[in-house]
Amino acid sequence: ETGVTQTPRHLVMGMTNKKSLKCEQHLGHNAMYWYKQSAKKPLELMFVYNFKEQTENNSVPSRFSPECPNSSHLFLHLHTLQPEDSALYLCASSQASSTGVYGYTFGSGTRLTVV
Amino acid sequence: LAKTTQPISMDSYEGQEVNITCSHNNIATNDYITWYQQFPSQGPRFIIQGYKTKVTNEVASLFIPADRKSSTLSLPRVSLSDTAVYYCLVGDQNNFNKFYFGSGTKLNVKP
Repeated sequence: ETGVTQTPRHLVMGMTNKKSLKCEQHLGHNAMYWYKQSAKKPLELMFVYNFKEQTENNSVPSRFSPECPNSSHLFLHLHTLQPEDSALYLCASSQASSTGVYGYTFGSGTRLTVV
Repeated sequence: LAKTTQPISMDSYEGQEVNITCSHNNIATNDYITWYQQFPSQGPRFIIQGYKTKVTNEVASLFIPADRKSSTLSLPRVSLSDTAVYYCLVGDQNNFNKFYFGSGTKLNVKP
């Protein structure tokens, strides 16, 4: 148990579907992140939430919509995805302070397949 | 943002010490250096973090020279279970959310 839980672990969806990925952290951290990891590519930072406020959106297409209702929960809402969006989606959290970030804790990810 | 460069892959044998070097020539004054380990279909796992000189914990050591333009992750006596991808990240302390992953180093430990 890493302290960051992601559900579902696997998801297959059609291009016209709407689904949501969920992330929950039990570590008392104040920052949460979404990363995308495609095959043979580096992890791509998608969104950053710091104290529930979105502070980063790395030019992610609008078919990906994040939501952070509180500092413990993070969602990624998906709609009208493309097959190239198939990837491992990873959630992470960290405790950010004025002296730096002491490492991320990642969840196990959601393996998404768009058909 | 400081870019990092690592070897794409490395081979080792069980029981050996493995050193993985990361170059970060444009590291800024406030940047920390952090290393992660990732197994297939899992999220990366924090290994160690440092700013300068040497840091050691129960699983690894991190060596950072005075100019901080590179760093070396040292794994003592590796086992087959250490086969994974290892990432070096450099992050801005004042912009502390911006840690970007590079391609990492695929370590293959052989029996």
